[in-house]
Amino acid sequence: NAGVMQNPRHLVRRRGQEARLRCSPMKGHSHVYWYRQLPEEGLKFMVYLQKENIIDESGMPKERFSAEFPKEGPSILRIQQVVRGDSAAYFCASSPDRGETQYFGPGTRLLVL
Amino acid sequence: QKEVEQDPGPLSVPEGAIVSLNCTYSNSAFQYFMWYRQYSRKGPELLMYTYSSGNKEDGRFTAQVDKSSKYISLFIRDSQPSDSATYLCAMSAQSNTGKLIFGQGTTLQVKP
Repeated sequence: NAGVMQNPRHLVRRRGQEARLRCSPMKGHSHVYWYRQLPEEGLKFMVYLQKENIIDESGMPKERFSAEFPKEGPSILRIQQVVRGDSAAYFCASSPDRGETQYFGPGTRLLVL
Repeated sequence: QKEVEQDPGPLSVPEGAIVSLNCTYSNSAFQYFMWYRQYSRKGPELLMYTYSSGNKEDGRFTAQVDKSSKYISLFIRDSQPSDSATYLCAMSAQSNTGKLIFGQGTTLQVKP
C-alpha cells in the first residue's frame, strides 16, 4: 500500500512565477491536509480538504494561495506570483476519515530565487 | 505566546540512555495529542497518538499526557543511534477539525 505521494520533491521558481504542488493521498483516504514548514520552525496548518470541498482554510494566506482536491486526480496547492518568503517545505497529509490520524508525504521543497 | 511550546534542543545523549521530550500548551481545549518523528529531509512519521490524559506505551516509546498541567511527554527507552531525528508534538481540539497544531520540534542525537 503506497503512502502519501507528493511531486515534485524539489521545485525551483523565480519570483513572480507560479508553483503547483501535487499530493496523492493514501489509497482509501479522502481527506487531505496541507502544511508548510519554514526553516527552524514547526509545521503550520494551511488547509484541509475533502473531495471537491474545502473544509478549513484558516491557515491559508489570503492572497496568491489556493488549494483544490478534485473528484479525480491529486490535490493541488497552487501559489501564484511566488516571493522569496514562500521558500519552504510543503507537506501533504491524508487520513481515511475526519480524524487526527494523519499520514504525511515526503514533502515538496520549494525554493524561490 | 505560541499555542504549543517545545524546546528545539539539540539534545544529545549516549546510546542506551532514556530520553525525555516535552511540550507545553496553552489551549485547554486540546484533547488529542500526537508525537511525530521526522528524519532529515523526510516527512513526519506518526509515532504515538493519545486521547485526553494518561499514558500509552508502544515498545520503547511511552507517551504521557497531563492535561491539568498542559504538559505532554515522550519517553524513549534504550535509545539507539537510529532514533536520531527531530521529534514533533502535535495536538488538536476536536476530532473533526483535522487541524493539527505542532510544536517547533526537538532535535535528538543519540551517539553510539
